[in-house]
Amino acid sequence: NAGVTQTPKFQVLKTGQSMTLQCAQDMNHNSMYWYRQDPGMGLRLIYYSASEGTTDKGEVPNGYNVSRLNKREFSLRLESAAPSQTSVYFCASSEARTGVREQYFGPGTRLTVT
Amino acid sequence: AQKITQTQPGMFVQEKEAVTLDCTYDTSDPSYGLFWYKQPSSGEMIFLIYQGSYDQQNATEGRYSLNFQKARKSANLVISASQLGDSAMYFCAMREGGTGGFKTIFGAGTRLFVKA
Repeated sequence: NAGVTQTPKFQVLKTGQSMTLQCAQDMNHNSMYWYRQDPGMGLRLIYYSASEGTTDKGEVPNGYNVSRLNKREFSLRLESAAPSQTSVYFCASSEARTGVREQYFGPGTRLTVT
Repeated sequence: AQKITQTQPGMFVQEKEAVTLDCTYDTSDPSYGLFWYKQPSSGEMIFLIYQGSYDQQNATEGRYSLNFQKARKSANLVISASQLGDSAMYFCAMREGGTGGFKTIFGAGTRLFVKA
């Protein structure tokens, strides 16, 4: 049981390049999320997927696209990277039922855009 | 709109003493959940404690308790008997909605330093 996995762990991009961050969970969770964490700051929600087949914008969606490929996988794409997108990106998942439903986080992807 | 505020950028506490980390929130949804997470220097996010808006009692999990004051819209985390391993960033988070709610937002965090 690996929990939430993210690839890659580190990435350096040049301005204008594109890339896709991958996330997968093996806990059979319905809901998945993408956050970014800038140095010394909290997490800001980029996009989330309440269930397979649905995605919704979070607080800072501009410059990103997402795909909920199946129940396990939720990818984040940067079409044209900008230095302002330098950040640590966290993927998370949670169950969609009543109760606590805390989020389980992946280890993060550290992205630098030069 | 949802809003989470943590006004203490940094806090110091002596080992074995208790410390309170502040969190206030704003929402118009009567159904919401409040969370606290810990982020050590290694970077992972660790879930600590949860409080539902309809819960009558304050949540407790071991040395962690949540001082929930609904009328004041505050959800402070209390750590009792601090340990050196408690040194970390602490984030308050809120999720609106009942079974249909998924969007969760985080505060800016409080960095806790535990002194020996």
